Amino acid sequence: EPEVTQTPSHQVTQMGQEVILRCVPISNHLYFYWYRQILGQKVEFLVSFYNNEISEKSEIFDDQFSVERPDGSNFTLKIRSTKLEDSAMYFCASSGLGETQYFGPGTRLLVL
Amino acid sequence: EDQVTQSPEALRLQEGESSSLNCSYTVSGLRGLFWYRQDPGKGPEFLFTLYSAGEEKEKERLKATLTKKESFLHITAPKPEDSATYLCAVQAGTGNQFYFGTGTSLTVIP
Repeated sequence: EPEVTQTPSHQVTQMGQEVILRCVPISNHLYFYWYRQILGQKVEFLVSFYNNEISEKSEIFDDQFSVERPDGSNFTLKIRSTKLEDSAMYFCASSGLGETQYFGPGTRLLVL
Repeated sequence: EDQVTQSPEALRLQEGESSSLNCSYTVSGLRGLFWYRQDPGKGPEFLFTLYSAGEEKEKERLKATLTKKESFLHITAPKPEDSATYLCAVQAGTGNQFYFGTGTSLTVIP
């Protein structure tokens, strides 16, 4: 069964450093998303991406964040200068023509 | 402001003891309501999509229903392996983003 994959599973970084989180969406899907979940809190939307451009973004997705689809399979989230409050689980999701979004296993980011 | 509320926050059941989880929503232009299961440290695992009031979906011991204001996830004769956090999410308006509730943490005791 096709699934969304994410790497790395865990990332520890120092405050101010750049991180890139990677995702491989389900191959025939057209819409790609990033969400985050701070420990003990709800899953929050960051950004959606369609047809090689951002289609929606939340207030959380400020200038420190960027997304890219560098090739036909990968979808990345870059945080330019990490802050302590960026520590969270980051989930990638993808969807086809239907509404249902399928989530990856997540990357646990810890900023020290 | 659009809002999704789940109750209870936590639920402990004896194995075989059926119950229901609630997801109430206040959004404009609901396009879909989604149930996911999340195990600790894992990503949300898709369970059901509901689109319109009166719709029902079933899978093994789980059944999801939808009204104009809320959705229920009914668990019939649960087993310990059903222990997880159950998340509700809605999609509304013209955007594709999901609005998630805080989840219900279910523990099924053997």
